[in-house]
Amino acid sequence: DTEVTQTPKHLVMGMTNKKSLKCEQHMGHRAMYWYKQKAKKPPELMFVYSYEKLSINESVPSRFSPECPNSSLLNLHLHALQPEDSALYLCASSQDQAGTANTGELFFGEGSRLTVL
Amino acid sequence: GDSVTQMEGPVTLSEEAFLTINCTYTATGYPSLFWYVQYPGEGLQLLLKATKADDKGSNKGFEATYRKETTSFHLEKGSVQVSDSAVYFCALFLYNFNKFYFGSGTKLNVKP
Repeated sequence: DTEVTQTPKHLVMGMTNKKSLKCEQHMGHRAMYWYKQKAKKPPELMFVYSYEKLSINESVPSRFSPECPNSSLLNLHLHALQPEDSALYLCASSQDQAGTANTGELFFGEGSRLTVL
Repeated sequence: GDSVTQMEGPVTLSEEAFLTINCTYTATGYPSLFWYVQYPGEGLQLLLKATKADDKGSNKGFEATYRKETTSFHLEKGSVQVSDSAVYFCALFLYNFNKFYFGSGTKLNVKP
């Protein structure tokens, strides 16, 4: 069983809707990530939070808005999306983005499959 | 630049066949290396890892050895099962730069 939980598993939304994806982990990890994965492609990094602060934004359009309310939770707020934003959105966590004990292992959730109509 | 290259798929094998999926990397520094597996409709699961040269990662019959001299981390399994059908991603992590890189993925189809 994955220790990173994502909700919802499936989401269908129109281009004018506002929705959110949620991610939760209870492993004490201090780095959390959002990835976007299109079919038959590897995951693409979107955002990284380290110690609840946004540390990396890979030039993601502002219609995607991340939020890290506390060290266990990560949200991705969606507004005015386009059909090409349809994809599997993966949340991941790691021990510490910059800690000396960090071997870089990412723990992934099962993803939220988003369809934008 | 830093990157991971894996063999193109799909790879189609019969059950009990031997599997090799090639992975090579380019990295400034000394990366940790990983194989992740993604079953249909699911997220990525860590299959195995190696954090330094000559380490061998192993799990569920899969193995990979960190070869610094050939900058490779090839995935092997002696006898595949239908349940091994999935997409396999090779990946590296560069601690000094806090960067994580995925290969393009290799789809494995195992037929009964």
